[in-house]
Formats: sequence, structure tokens, C-alpha cells
Amino acid sequence: DTEVTQTPKHLVMGMTNKKSLKCEQHMGHRAMYWYKQKAKKPPELMFVYSYEKLSINESVPSRFSPECPNSSLLNLHLHALQPEDSALYLCASSPPGGGTSTDTQYFGPGTRLTVL
Amino acid sequence: DAKTTQPNSMESNEEEPVHLPCNHSTISGTDYIHWYRQLPSPGPEYVIHGLTSNVNNRMASLAIAEDRKSSTLILHRATLRDAAVYYCILLISNFGNEKLTFGTGTRLTIIP
Repeated sequence: DTEVTQTPKHLVMGMTNKKSLKCEQHMGHRAMYWYKQKAKKPPELMFVYSYEKLSINESVPSRFSPECPNSSLLNLHLHALQPEDSALYLCASSPPGGGTSTDTQYFGPGTRLTVL
Repeated sequence: DAKTTQPNSMESNEEEPVHLPCNHSTISGTDYIHWYRQLPSPGPEYVIHGLTSNVNNRMASLAIAEDRKSSTLILHRATLRDAAVYYCILLISNFGNEKLTFGTGTRLTIIP
């Protein structure tokens, strides 16, 4: 299995809803990432998990809550989002070693989120 | 973080070589140069990376200037499927806390 999967593909939620995005990989990768991408903009890093521990939080608002239950799974819990949070949310993973400057990142297809 | 500069857009004819430039004048000695591309279907895709020497793989070649202040991604024979946004990124080693910082990239259009 050489891919990163993300569910759901599309999500529409209200500002009072609680929802979760899910990311899964079975490549034995030990670093996993969440990125946010607004339309016609480059992806922006949100969080990095290395060996199931949060290693980077790019000053993301607390209404986004990441979770890494095991080495294959990464969740992003969403609560009280704003319409400006509407974007494509991309998950990525990189090989054992927790990520080094030689490691490539493998991206999933993303979840397109719309906040009403 | 060291920054990269790329042209906003480029066009190339199908089946011709494409040279995509990237300037990174503030690169440090341990920064790796990575290239990713993002096709119309969402997730970015790894293309190639290097440190000092030129690199080749099945997708592309990477030519790195001797002073490392610039690099060029070479697609040897562009096809319509190569139409994408190409990102040149410096990846900084940080003991497992590496992160990709995407710039604005170059939008490559392939003309049939």
C-alpha cells in the first residue's frame, strides 16, 4: 500500500458543528502532517507529528485539534469553525526516521471543507 | 526560513524540454532543494530533490548551480500530464521537525 487516504472527500459544516477529518497511511511512515490550502494559494503547514507526538504546531487556532491515535492514523478535530476556514485540508506522511531533509512527503488527495 | 523565488507562470510546447528556474540565494549549507508539483487533482506530488550534485530520476532532472544559489528543474519531454504548479522548496534539517514551506510556485502550461 503506497498511498495516503483521507476521508471524507468533501465536508460541509455549520459554525456550531463538531466534525473530524481522518488520514490514514500503511507505509510504516513515522511523521505525519496537516496542511491547509486556500484556493489558488500554496499549501500551508499546520501540524507535524513525529512518532505519534506533536512536534510542530504552526500557531494554529485551538478550534483545530489534531490527534494521532497510532502510527497509521491522523485525525483533525474541528469545532466552532469560521467561514474563512473553508479550504482544502491535506494530509501527508514521510518515511521512518521522523522526517529528515532527505525524506519525501507523500500527500493524500485532501478533504475539501466548506463552513457555512 | 530561507526563501525561494520562481516565475509565476511558464508555457512550453508538448514533447519539448522544459526548464523551470528557482532562485534561493539565502540557502544554507545543510538545506536540501526539493521540488513538488500539484496537478489539477489535489495533493502535491514529490518530483525530485538534491543537495549539491545534479540529480536524475524517472520524472525529471535537477541541475544545481555550483554556488547552490539557484537550481533548475528539467522535464526532458513535456506531456500534457505535466501541466501543474511546480514548487521549489528548501527543506531544513531540524532533528525530525522538518517542514515544507511552499512558495507561490510556477504554473506550467503545456501547449499541444
